[in-house]
Amino acid sequence: AQSVAQPEDQVNVAEGNPLTVKCTYSVSGNPYLFWYVQYPNRGLQFLLKYITGDNLVKGSYGFEAEFNKSQTSFHLKKPSALVSDSALYFCAVRALYNNNDMRFGAGTRLTVKP
Amino acid sequence: EAGVTQFPSHSVIEKGQTVTLRCDPISGHDNLYWYRRVMGKEIKFLLHFVKESKQDESGMPNNRFLAERTGGTYSTLKVQPAELEDSGVYFCASSQDRAGGYTFGSGTRLTVV
Repeated sequence: AQSVAQPEDQVNVAEGNPLTVKCTYSVSGNPYLFWYVQYPNRGLQFLLKYITGDNLVKGSYGFEAEFNKSQTSFHLKKPSALVSDSALYFCAVRALYNNNDMRFGAGTRLTVKP
Repeated sequence: EAGVTQFPSHSVIEKGQTVTLRCDPISGHDNLYWYRRVMGKEIKFLLHFVKESKQDESGMPNNRFLAERTGGTYSTLKVQPAELEDSGVYFCASSQDRAGGYTFGSGTRLTVV
C-alpha cells in the first residue's frame, strides 16, 4: 500500500523568503501526487497535483512542487512566502494502477512571520 | 456549484453515546470518501463509496463505525457507541472520477468526553 512521509511537523519562514515543505512517498507503480492546504476552520483545499509530464508542477497561490522519481519526493515550494500562507499542508499519494485510494501524510504546519 | 457539505461542523458527545455525521457530496460525483484525522496525526482513509456501493472499507477502525450511502447521494457515518479515541476531525470528499483530485468538505470535529 502507498504511504507518505512529511518529515517536518513545523516549518517557520520569514515573509518574503522562499519556503519548502518536504514530502516523500512510497507506492507501487506510478504515483499520483497531491498537495492540499487547510486554513483554520476550513476544509482541505486542493493546491496542485502531479500525474505525468513535467516534473515541476505549478499550482494555486504561487505554489509549485517538484516531482523527483529517484528520490521519491514531491516537495512543495514557493519563491516568496506570505503571512497568509500560514496553514497546515498535507501531501498525498495515490497509486495509478490499482484500487487503493488517496493516502495522506501527517501534515506540516507552516508559519510565515512578518 | 455547491461544494461538499458536512454536518454538523462540531459535535461533543459523551462516551457511550451515538453520533451520526452527514456528508453531501458535489452533485453528480459518484465517488465519496471518508477520512479521519486524529490530533497531530495523518489524515487516515476510512472508506470509499462508488455510488451506493462500498468500494473499499479497509480503513474502518472497528464495527462501531457504520457508513451508508443510500441512493448514492449523501452519506452518513455513525459511531455507536462512541469511545474517547474516536475524537478527531472527520473529513468527507467527493470526486467525479478517480483520476482527479478530491473536493473536501470542511470536516466535522468530533469530541468524545
